[in-house]
Amino acid sequence: DGGITQSPKYLFRKEGQNVTLSCEQNLNHDAMYWYRQDPGQGLRLIYYSQIVNDFQKGDIAEGYSVSREKKESFPLTVTSAQKNPTAFYLCASTEDTTSFTDTQYFGPGTRLTVL
Amino acid sequence: KNEVEQSPQNLTAQEGEFITINCSYSVGISALHWLQQHPGGGIVSLFMLSSGKKKHGRLIATINIQEKHSSLHITASHPRDSAVYICAVRAEGGSQGNLIFGKGTKLSVKP
Repeated sequence: DGGITQSPKYLFRKEGQNVTLSCEQNLNHDAMYWYRQDPGQGLRLIYYSQIVNDFQKGDIAEGYSVSREKKESFPLTVTSAQKNPTAFYLCASTEDTTSFTDTQYFGPGTRLTVL
Repeated sequence: KNEVEQSPQNLTAQEGEFITINCSYSVGISALHWLQQHPGGGIVSLFMLSSGKKKHGRLIATINIQEKHSSLHITASHPRDSAVYICAVRAEGGSQGNLIFGKGTKLSVKP
């Protein structure tokens, strides 16, 4: 079955530690995205990548970093510079980077809690 | 003011009722998405609209580009429809990453 996997589902970290969230897709999609969701707020874009070895900052990139070394993988690192990292993180992908009307496929999410 | 507003924020219905969730936006768009987020957090794309109306099973989505408004209707609602429904728009001329999300409408359907 094709889809997007995120691991782990729940993640606990101490303040000041970097943590990396995994996102893998086997849909052969070119574009991948990371979103953050906080209670009572809409999803906000952290980073996106339209092609391997290239990525763009979203609206709230500060304190985060990404890499796109392989088409199927787009890991997100939450660094100690992120002031309020506790949130629900969602990874998504789309097939076509040129169409603005492409369907987004979402992973199940990772809930990060910083203690 | 948010660029994408949804109403109501919360909605409780009895099984079998007809449900309407509204989405208004203030920017020119190339497409509007309706998404469903289940209690576990996973999100599924329901519809993508740029004009008119789409239907899938008991779900119907409409959009009025001139009025900058879209509605999601659920006919014969069922407890398994309980979820958060999210409207998102892609602004005209925006980059591939430029989806603007509403805050969601939390629907609870009681048996």
